[in-house]
Amino acid sequence: QSALTQPRSVSGSLGQSVTISCTGTSSDVGGYNFVSWYQHHPGKAPKLIIYDVSQRPSGVPDRFSGSKSGDTASLTISGLQAEDEADYYCCSYAGSHIQDVFGTGTEVTVL
Amino acid sequence: QVQLVESGGGAVQPGRSLRLTCAVSGFTFSRYGMHWVRQAPGKGLEWVAAISYDGRNKYYADSVKGRFTISRDNSQNTMYMQMNSLGGDDLAVYFCAKDKWSDRDYPRSPFDFWGQGTLVTVSS
Repeated sequence: QSALTQPRSVSGSLGQSVTISCTGTSSDVGGYNFVSWYQHHPGKAPKLIIYDVSQRPSGVPDRFSGSKSGDTASLTISGLQAEDEADYYCCSYAGSHIQDVFGTGTEVTVL
Repeated sequence: QVQLVESGGGAVQPGRSLRLTCAVSGFTFSRYGMHWVRQAPGKGLEWVAAISYDGRNKYYADSVKGRFTISRDNSQNTMYMQMNSLGGDDLAVYFCAKDKWSDRDYPRSPFDFWGQGTLVTVSS
Protein backbone atom coordinates (compact mmCIF):
# COMPACT_ATOMS: atom_id res chain seq x y z
CA GLN A 1 0.00 0.00 0.00
CA SER A 2 1.52 3.32 -1.04
CA ALA A 3 1.53 6.31 1.24
CA LEU A 4 -0.98 9.05 0.54
CA THR A 5 0.54 12.08 -1.21
CA GLN A 6 0.90 15.37 0.65
CA PRO A 7 2.93 18.46 -0.21
CA ARG A 8 6.26 18.43 1.55
CA SER A 9 5.77 21.88 3.03
CA VAL A 10 3.39 24.83 3.17
CA SER A 11 3.80 28.19 4.80
CA GLY A 12 1.71 31.18 5.74
CA SER A 13 1.86 34.33 7.79
CA LEU A 14 0.31 34.73 11.20
CA GLY A 15 -3.45 35.01 10.82
CA GLN A 16 -3.53 33.70 7.28
CA SER A 17 -4.99 30.38 6.10
CA VAL A 18 -3.22 27.38 4.64
CA THR A 19 -4.62 24.23 3.07
CA ILE A 20 -2.89 20.86 2.95
CA SER A 21 -3.96 18.29 0.39
CA CYS A 22 -3.89 14.52 0.82
CA THR A 23 -4.28 12.50 -2.36
CA GLY A 24 -4.98 8.80 -2.42
CA THR A 25 -7.03 6.44 -4.54
CA SER A 26 -10.51 4.99 -4.71
CA SER A 27 -9.22 2.19 -2.45
CA ASP A 28 -8.52 4.49 0.46
CA VAL A 29 -9.41 8.21 0.58
CA GLY A 30 -11.99 7.96 -2.18
CA GLY A 31 -13.54 4.76 -0.90
CA TYR A 32 -14.23 5.63 2.72
CA ASN A 33 -15.15 8.66 4.80
CA PHE A 34 -12.51 7.64 7.33
CA VAL A 35 -9.84 10.27 6.82
CA SER A 36 -8.14 11.63 9.91
CA TRP A 37 -5.46 14.29 10.42
CA TYR A 38 -2.71 14.47 13.01
CA GLN A 39 -0.52 17.31 14.22
CA HIS A 40 2.97 16.26 15.23
CA HIS A 41 5.52 18.40 16.97
CA PRO A 42 8.80 16.43 16.68
CA GLY A 43 9.70 14.64 19.88
CA LYS A 44 6.12 14.70 21.13
CA ALA A 45 3.08 12.48 20.78
CA PRO A 46 1.03 13.07 17.61
CA LYS A 47 -2.35 14.71 18.21
CA LEU A 48 -5.64 13.90 16.48
CA ILE A 49 -7.15 17.09 15.06
CA ILE A 50 -9.71 15.84 12.51
CA TYR A 51 -11.46 12.50 12.08
CA ASP A 52 -14.10 11.10 9.73
CA VAL A 53 -13.06 13.71 7.12
CA SER A 54 -14.40 16.77 8.92
CA GLN A 55 -15.09 16.07 12.59
CA ARG A 56 -13.12 17.87 15.29
CA PRO A 57 -12.37 16.19 18.62
CA SER A 58 -13.32 18.20 21.66
CA GLY A 59 -10.65 20.73 22.53
CA VAL A 60 -9.40 21.21 18.98
CA PRO A 61 -9.87 24.82 17.85
CA ASP A 62 -12.37 25.43 15.07
CA ARG A 63 -9.52 26.99 13.09
CA PHE A 64 -8.89 23.44 11.92
CA SER A 65 -11.29 22.06 9.33
CA GLY A 66 -11.34 19.09 7.00
CA SER A 67 -13.02 18.18 3.74
CA LYS A 68 -12.86 15.65 0.94
CA SER A 69 -13.55 15.57 -2.77
CA GLY A 70 -13.08 12.33 -4.65
CA ASP A 71 -9.70 10.83 -3.88
CA THR A 72 -8.32 13.99 -2.23
CA ALA A 73 -8.84 15.13 1.33
CA SER A 74 -7.85 18.56 2.62
CA LEU A 75 -7.00 20.16 5.94
CA THR A 76 -7.40 23.92 6.27
CA ILE A 77 -5.88 25.91 9.11
CA SER A 78 -7.47 29.34 9.36
CA GLY A 79 -6.00 32.20 11.34
CA LEU A 80 -2.56 30.64 11.61
CA GLN A 81 -0.98 30.77 15.05
CA ALA A 82 2.66 30.33 15.96
CA GLU A 83 1.85 27.08 17.77
CA ASP A 84 0.45 25.61 14.54
CA GLU A 85 3.98 25.22 13.24
CA ALA A 86 4.35 21.43 13.11
CA ASP A 87 4.19 18.41 10.85
CA TYR A 88 0.75 17.31 9.70
CA TYR A 89 -0.23 13.84 8.54
CA CYS A 90 -3.39 12.56 6.94
CA CYS A 91 -4.48 8.97 7.42
CA SER A 92 -7.13 6.91 5.68
CA TYR A 93 -8.70 3.54 6.27
CA ALA A 94 -7.84 1.34 3.29
CA GLY A 95 -9.92 -1.77 3.78
CA SER A 96 -9.94 -4.77 6.05
CA HIS A 97 -6.73 -6.33 4.69
CA ILE A 98 -4.64 -3.18 4.64
CA GLN A 99 -6.17 -1.23 7.50
CA ASP A 100 -4.70 2.26 7.61
CA VAL A 101 -2.32 4.25 5.47
CA PHE A 102 -0.68 7.56 6.33
CA GLY A 103 0.22 10.46 4.14
CA THR A 104 3.77 11.52 3.42
CA GLY A 105 3.50 14.42 5.84
CA THR A 106 3.54 18.20 5.45
CA GLU A 107 5.66 20.67 7.37
CA VAL A 108 3.75 23.84 8.17
CA THR A 109 5.82 26.96 8.69
CA VAL A 110 4.37 30.13 10.19
CA LEU A 111 6.15 33.16 8.78
CA GLN B 1 -6.10 11.27 32.19
CA VAL B 2 -5.23 8.94 29.34
CA GLN B 3 -1.60 7.90 29.25
CA LEU B 4 0.29 5.58 26.94
CA VAL B 5 3.93 4.85 27.72
CA GLU B 6 6.14 2.86 25.38
CA SER B 7 9.28 1.05 26.51
CA GLY B 8 11.64 -1.64 25.33
CA GLY B 9 13.39 0.21 22.55
CA GLY B 10 17.14 0.21 22.19
CA ALA B 11 20.05 -0.80 20.01
CA VAL B 12 20.02 -4.24 18.44
CA GLN B 13 22.08 -6.02 15.82
CA PRO B 14 20.56 -6.96 12.46
CA GLY B 15 18.70 -10.24 12.63
CA ARG B 16 18.10 -10.05 16.37
CA SER B 17 14.84 -9.55 18.27
CA LEU B 18 13.27 -6.95 20.54
CA ARG B 19 10.00 -6.69 22.44
CA LEU B 20 8.22 -3.37 22.84
CA THR B 21 5.72 -2.67 25.59
CA CYS B 22 2.93 -0.09 25.77
CA ALA B 23 1.56 0.48 29.26
CA VAL B 24 -1.70 2.40 29.42
CA SER B 25 -3.83 4.09 32.04
CA GLY B 26 -6.79 6.42 32.25
CA PHE B 27 -9.27 4.41 30.17
CA THR B 28 -10.83 0.93 30.04
CA PHE B 29 -8.07 -0.75 28.05
CA SER B 30 -10.03 -3.95 27.45
CA ARG B 31 -12.61 -2.08 25.35
CA TYR B 32 -10.31 -0.48 22.81
CA GLY B 33 -8.35 -1.60 19.81
CA MET B 34 -4.71 -0.60 19.82
CA HIS B 35 -2.05 0.10 17.22
CA TRP B 36 1.66 0.45 16.64
CA VAL B 37 2.83 3.22 14.32
CA ARG B 38 6.46 3.97 13.51
CA GLN B 39 8.49 6.85 12.14
CA ALA B 40 11.88 6.29 10.58
CA PRO B 41 14.41 9.15 10.89
CA GLY B 42 13.45 11.98 8.57
CA LYS B 43 10.45 10.06 7.29
CA GLY B 44 6.70 10.08 7.83
CA LEU B 45 4.42 7.98 9.97
CA GLU B 46 3.82 4.36 8.99
CA TRP B 47 1.04 2.21 10.42
CA VAL B 48 2.60 -1.09 11.53
CA ALA B 49 0.08 -3.29 13.33
CA ALA B 50 -3.28 -3.36 15.08
CA ILE B 51 -5.06 -5.58 17.58
CA SER B 52 -8.75 -5.67 18.46
CA TYR B 53 -9.99 -4.91 21.95
CA ASP B 54 -10.18 -8.60 22.86
CA GLY B 55 -7.01 -9.67 21.07
CA ARG B 56 -8.82 -11.94 18.61
CA ASN B 57 -8.09 -9.93 15.47
CA LYS B 58 -4.62 -8.80 14.47
CA TYR B 59 -3.43 -6.95 11.40
CA TYR B 60 0.01 -6.14 10.05
CA ALA B 61 1.61 -3.96 7.42
CA ASP B 62 3.22 -5.97 4.62
CA SER B 63 6.61 -4.60 5.67
CA VAL B 64 6.49 -6.47 9.00
CA LYS B 65 4.18 -9.40 8.31
CA GLY B 66 5.72 -12.67 9.41
CA ARG B 67 8.38 -10.92 11.54
CA PHE B 68 6.40 -8.86 14.06
CA THR B 69 3.69 -10.11 16.43
CA ILE B 70 1.27 -7.83 18.26
CA SER B 71 -0.38 -8.99 21.48
CA ARG B 72 -2.06 -7.61 24.57
CA ASP B 73 -2.74 -8.49 28.21
CA ASN B 74 -5.98 -6.84 29.26
CA SER B 75 -5.43 -7.85 32.89
CA GLN B 76 -2.18 -5.80 32.89
CA ASN B 77 -3.38 -2.90 30.69
CA THR B 78 -0.46 -3.59 28.42
CA MET B 79 0.17 -4.14 24.72
CA TYR B 80 3.26 -5.72 23.21
CA MET B 81 5.07 -6.03 19.94
CA GLN B 82 7.53 -8.84 19.46
CA MET B 83 9.91 -7.88 16.67
CA ASN B 84 12.06 -10.60 15.12
CA SER B 85 14.61 -10.60 12.30
CA LEU B 86 15.16 -6.87 12.64
CA GLY B 87 16.78 -5.02 9.77
CA GLY B 88 17.90 -1.51 8.94
CA ASP B 89 14.46 -0.59 7.61
CA ASP B 90 13.05 -1.16 11.08
CA LEU B 91 15.09 1.68 12.57
CA ALA B 92 12.41 4.05 13.83
CA VAL B 93 10.57 5.59 16.74
CA TYR B 94 7.69 3.28 17.57
CA PHE B 95 4.46 4.82 18.90
CA CYS B 96 1.52 3.02 20.43
CA ALA B 97 -1.87 4.55 19.73
CA LYS B 98 -5.44 3.99 20.87
CA ASP B 99 -8.59 3.53 18.77
CA LYS B 100 -11.04 6.37 19.26
CA TRP B 101 -14.04 4.02 19.23
CA SER B 102 -14.63 1.15 21.63
CA ASP B 103 -15.65 -2.49 21.18
CA ARG B 104 -14.77 -2.77 17.49
CA ASP B 105 -13.89 -6.16 16.08
CA TYR B 106 -11.81 -4.49 13.39
CA PRO B 107 -9.50 -1.82 14.82
CA ARG B 108 -8.72 1.12 12.59
CA SER B 109 -8.16 4.87 12.64
CA PRO B 110 -8.78 7.40 14.05
CA PHE B 111 -6.20 7.17 16.81
CA ASP B 112 -7.19 9.57 19.57
CA PHE B 113 -4.29 9.14 21.99
CA TRP B 114 -0.65 8.35 21.39
CA GLY B 115 2.44 7.70 23.43
CA GLN B 116 5.65 9.64 22.97
CA GLY B 117 7.43 6.73 21.34
CA THR B 118 10.43 4.48 21.91
CA LEU B 119 13.45 4.42 19.60
CA VAL B 120 14.62 1.20 17.99
CA THR B 121 18.09 1.32 16.49
CA VAL B 122 19.35 -1.50 14.29
CA SER B 123 23.08 -1.51 13.70
CA SER B 124 25.96 -3.91 13.60
